[in-house]
Amino acid sequence: DAGVIQSPRHEVTEMGQEVTLRCKPISGHDYLFWYRQTMMRGLELLIYFNNNVPIDDSGMPEDRFSAKMPNASFSTLKIQPSEPRDSAVYFCASRGIQETQYFGPGTRLLVL
Amino acid sequence: AQKITQTQPGMFVQEKEAVTLDCTYDTSDPSYGLFWYKQPSSGEMIFLIYQGSYDQQNATEGRYSLNFQKARKSANLVISASQLGDSAMYFCAMREGAGANSKLTFGKGITLSVRP
Repeated sequence: DAGVIQSPRHEVTEMGQEVTLRCKPISGHDYLFWYRQTMMRGLELLIYFNNNVPIDDSGMPEDRFSAKMPNASFSTLKIQPSEPRDSAVYFCASRGIQETQYFGPGTRLLVL
Repeated sequence: AQKITQTQPGMFVQEKEAVTLDCTYDTSDPSYGLFWYKQPSSGEMIFLIYQGSYDQQNATEGRYSLNFQKARKSANLVISASQLGDSAMYFCAMREGAGANSKLTFGKGITLSVRP
């Protein structure tokens, strides 16, 4: 079975540009999570969805960040406008009935 | 207060020996779960092992075991017969809440280096 799929794997952009990160969860999983990992702050939960509905977005840093899940097999995390401090690795994870979250390979974002 | 604490500095272990990675947690929720993930230098997050708060036995998965001491609120990961491929960052995480309101909180991680 395919795991969590994320694209792009790497993204380099300039400050002020819009960035869209994509995620396809494991088929049958009804929870989807977006995390951000930096050296300074570690792994932070940004937002998560259950059955395509956002449950908790308290980790979203500011209005420049938005996330959507239009259907059970696709989610996006958008940053508009991007800033250098947004540079990080962004992970998507999914889980089903079992407790365990399975992570995608991550998107390494660099904002110049 | 931190919910998950991993305070060990970088850890070193000789190949084929066992190593324990420490994790303490803080919660008032009677129902919780504890996880360990491995992050090698390639960057992916790999699930290793899970322990539920009501589980009577310590969890084991191959060379990984979780030393769960509920009264002390610790959930240490034991890796037996270390291999060079075990060199990585290891994260302890805790799930609080249930159902749609459950989410994971991660510790800062511990770096493990296995020496040949």
